Formats: sequence, structure tokens, C-alpha cells
Amino acid sequence: AQSVTQLGSHVSVSEGALVLLRCNYSSSVPPYLFWYVQYPNQGLQLLLKYTSAATLVKGINGFEAEFKKSETSFHLTKPSAHMSDAAEYFCAVESNFGNEKLTFGTGTRLTIIP
Amino acid sequence: GAVVSQHPSRVICKSGTSVKIECRSLDFQATTMFWYRQFPKQSLMLMATSNEGSKATYEQGVEKDKFLINHASLTLSTLTVTSAHPEDSSFYICSARDRSVGPYEQYFGPGTRLTVT
Repeated sequence: AQSVTQLGSHVSVSEGALVLLRCNYSSSVPPYLFWYVQYPNQGLQLLLKYTSAATLVKGINGFEAEFKKSETSFHLTKPSAHMSDAAEYFCAVESNFGNEKLTFGTGTRLTIIP
Repeated sequence: GAVVSQHPSRVICKSGTSVKIECRSLDFQATTMFWYRQFPKQSLMLMATSNEGSKATYEQGVEKDKFLINHASLTLSTLTVTSAHPEDSSFYICSARDRSVGPYEQYFGPGTRLTVT
């Protein structure tokens, strides 16, 4: 079984400040991990993914995430927040045994303070 | 990049009627498509996995007779909500997997907002 926990359903940061969104996973096999962003009334857009290559993964829009097996974490960061980053962010896990099901976290709503 | 479309984007229907939602992969062949449901301010819940040419696999608790899924071609899957009721009102999102590009990323459609009155 696999699961994802996102700590903090709401995060607020000032424009230009560091963004840190937390994600911890549980998986019985080596996982694939994903971060998605969702803007209001839209589908999900992939920010980045970890697929057992480099542990530091760079994504779009200046976001990156680091896979830490010892901490079972995959936190999302961005050095300097922009107003356009305001959205809902979802962490997701998939076991790479090929069952292909994504299990999503409960999401974190990011608000940017001008 | 790979594009997935959904139609319609919004639909309002009366209680007791049926509504069909289409999910299309526009520039790739999707052997597998997924249907999700999202309630306001909540996460995505997988409803079913749809494989081209075979019956869909439903998640536990999802009524297969109420949510009919058909994956007739490598670019089209449909979700039909039968005898809709107000509690079926939700945001439905599909995704498609392009097996020719791995490891395996799901491309999401823009979603369909269903309101049952």
C-alpha cells in the first residue's frame, strides 16, 4: 500500500520569500513521486517527478524537490515566490511495480502575500 | 507536450438524467486512461482505470452501474453518469498515460464541472 501526507493544508508566504511545501510518502516498494499544481477550475499540471534517478529534481517554474529516502520525504521548494505561484499543490506517489495508480495527498493551498 | 482534452467543460443536468463526459488524448495514443473525482477543496479520488478495448477497473466503493466507462479507442474514453443525482455534482478529471514515453507520466485533462439540479 502507498500513501502520501502533505503537512499543512494552507501555506502563506510573502512574494519573494522561500516556498516550502512538505510531502512525506509511504510505499512498500521504491516509489515514483510527483508534484502537481492545480489552478482554479482546471486540471493538474505536472511540476516535476522523481523516478529513481537524481535525488534532486528540477521542475518547471523554478520549483525543485529533493527525494530523501531516509526521511521518506519529497518536499517542494522554490527560492523566491511569485504571485503567479498561488494555486493548489498536490504530491502524489506511484509504486514502480507498474500498477500505475497515483495516490494523491490532500493538497496544499499556497497563498502569496504581496 | 501531450495534451488531453475533456468535453464538456461544464454541464448542468436535471436529476434523473444521464450525462456523458469525453476524454481525448490529442497527440498521443493512450492505452490507459484514468477517471478521478474531486470534491470542493479536496484531493483527487481515483474512480476507475480504463484500458482500451477492455472493461474498466473500478475502485472500491464506486458504483460501476452508475458511472459507465467506455474506452473505445486509443484516444477516447467516456464517462457516463447515469440517473444523476445532486450528490453526483463534482469536478471530474481524466488523465491519460502515454506508454511510449517513460517513466510513466499521466497527462491530465482540464476537468468537467458537473452540476445536477
